[in-house]
Amino acid sequence: RKEVEQDPGPFNVPEGATVAFNCTYSNSASQSFFWYRQDCRKEPKLLMSVYSSGNEDGRFTAQLNRASQYISLLIRDSKLSDSATYLCVVNSNSGYALNFGKGTSLLVTP
Amino acid sequence: GAVVSQHPSWVICKSGTSVKIECRSLDFQATTMFWYRQFPKQSLMLMATSNEGSKATYEQGVEKDKFLINHASLTLSTLTVTSAHPEDSSFYICSASGGQDAFFGQGTRLTVV
Repeated sequence: RKEVEQDPGPFNVPEGATVAFNCTYSNSASQSFFWYRQDCRKEPKLLMSVYSSGNEDGRFTAQLNRASQYISLLIRDSKLSDSATYLCVVNSNSGYALNFGKGTSLLVTP
Repeated sequence: GAVVSQHPSWVICKSGTSVKIECRSLDFQATTMFWYRQFPKQSLMLMATSNEGSKATYEQGVEKDKFLINHASLTLSTLTVTSAHPEDSSFYICSASGGQDAFFGQGTRLTVV
């Protein structure tokens, strides 16, 4: 079983739509959780950390369920510029080394 | 935010040659550097972790004699792909940590022909 699993998509949504991505992780000892965004052929960029209490940053809301080992990302009022691959990321046992999911592809259309 | 510079951003090389990729932390001291590899449509996979001044720790399945990592200073780590083959074609990306957070380089797209 992969350490971090995501639905690869693609998710095709119209502008203004709300879209949700889910992710599960296998290592119950994981401590840190993140969502990264990766544009084609570019490095991943941190979108937001994910906290147990849930956290929001503008149109983006992240949730963590430790009992179910499940992470989610909600994007409201989608913009064309949100089109990218969203990576669910969990820390490994090696300090700051990270385990990445394969990513979920999002395409926002006019 | 902190800046990590990775060069080259892309390289094409002939099969059998070696390629060196540099990763520099520009405004902080990177005590730990991570090297990742990403094949098309796959996730980023950790290849190795290196701490300044000591030997790198390689993940299972990564050949240490093929992927030479040097982390001789607190601002520079290099990854050398030796005797590259077409199956080594991939996106290689480094991440540098000074202890609190880790920051990514821009990545290197390697194509071996």
